[in-house]
Amino acid sequence: EADIYQTPRYLVIGTGKKITLECSQTMGHDKMYWYQQDPGMELHLIHYSYGVNSTEKGDLSSESTVSRIRTEHFPLTLESARPSHTSQYLCASSVLGYEQYFGPGTRLTVT
Amino acid sequence: DQQVKQNSPSLSVQEGRISILNCDYTNSMFDYFLWYKKYPAEGPTFLISISSIKDKNEDGRFTVFLNKSAKHLSLHIVPSQPGDSAVYFCAAIPQGAQKLVFGQGTRLTINP
Repeated sequence: EADIYQTPRYLVIGTGKKITLECSQTMGHDKMYWYQQDPGMELHLIHYSYGVNSTEKGDLSSESTVSRIRTEHFPLTLESARPSHTSQYLCASSVLGYEQYFGPGTRLTVT
Repeated sequence: DQQVKQNSPSLSVQEGRISILNCDYTNSMFDYFLWYKKYPAEGPTFLISISSIKDKNEDGRFTVFLNKSAKHLSLHIVPSQPGDSAVYFCAAIPQGAQKLVFGQGTRLTINP
């Protein structure tokens, strides 16, 4: 069973604040991903990493940034939150890039 | 342009009957397909997958069918159970890539 954790689960924050969404996995997977999903819509890949010190932007343009200093940790940061950033953010990890294991997600609301 | 499409936003099926969820894709470079299930306030969980070299894969109550000429895949759940009520996402991986492209999802409701 996959062990991948995201904190916080829910976050309501004001415009202009800096936020970091945490994602950790205990499976030793090299590949990690961040997706953004709005209600009733598909998941969009916004960032991915294939290993330590490797990060790439995904298919959907995002103002967020990521880092991968440790294998198990893949945090996502928004320097200045805006209402347009309101969404659900899902983190995933994988061994080979096929079956990806998802965390529970963070639902972000920017007021 | 949306490369993976699930044209039915919702589906309602009676308990014990078969549920059939459909997915169409446009990119002929996709060579691996997956189905995920998502409950509210949780992340998607992997259900079943199929490689483009196959046309059918079965795992318990779940069977995925792939029709490459029609660029169509379907997920069959039989018999349907109340716990199957969730949103189902179809996803595809382009050849040589390690990234998933998702459809919009279909909300399945199993009625007692």
